[in-house]
Amino acid sequence: AQRVTQPEKLLSVFKGAPVELKCNYSYSGSPELFWYVQYSRQRLQLLLRHISRESIKGFTADLNKGETSFHLKKPFAQEEDSAMYYCALRPTGTASKLTFGTGTRLQVTL
Amino acid sequence: NAGVMQNPRHLVRRRGQEARLRCSPMKGHSHVYWYRQLPEEGLKFMVYLQKENIIDESGMPKERFSAEFPKEGPSILRIQQVVRGDSAAYFCASSPPGTAYNEQFFGPGTRLTVL
Repeated sequence: AQRVTQPEKLLSVFKGAPVELKCNYSYSGSPELFWYVQYSRQRLQLLLRHISRESIKGFTADLNKGETSFHLKKPFAQEEDSAMYYCALRPTGTASKLTFGTGTRLQVTL
Repeated sequence: NAGVMQNPRHLVRRRGQEARLRCSPMKGHSHVYWYRQLPEEGLKFMVYLQKENIIDESGMPKERFSAEFPKEGPSILRIQQVVRGDSAAYFCASSPPGTAYNEQFFGPGTRLTVL
């Protein structure tokens, strides 16, 4: 069975502070990990995926197989980063279902 | 490309009625996924379909729920004899043909309220 855990429901940070949204997973095979974001009144959209190894909007995430984690990080939070963030997993190289975490609401305040 | 379309955006039904949720995938996409989000929870997979085929329905409740993706027209998620516990946001996603590394694009969701 696949499981994704996001331990924080809400993360509140000041503008300019570093951000780390935690994601841990449980899966016996080779996983593909994603971060999705949902801004207010918008649809869920892909932020980044581990196989791309790229930085999107200043966010990065590294897959740590030893710790089974895929934490999302940004060195300096911006107000426009305020949103719901969902970590998701699926077996590598498949078109199968995504397993989502429960999400973390990031609130960036002045 | 207008993106994944879902309608209606909001649907209110009384207990015992039927709910039909529609999803039009992005142009050129042949894979459709339905997810349900209960209050305070993450998205939970329900069913994965390709044209005229159900590929994975492991997340579908055994009774009252059905899904189809016909050769022509949108994908339909049908809930018969709705109960209050069916109140949730239902999201549809689509992806292009092929298997590896394809992104799922999400629709805006349908919020179902059962009175």
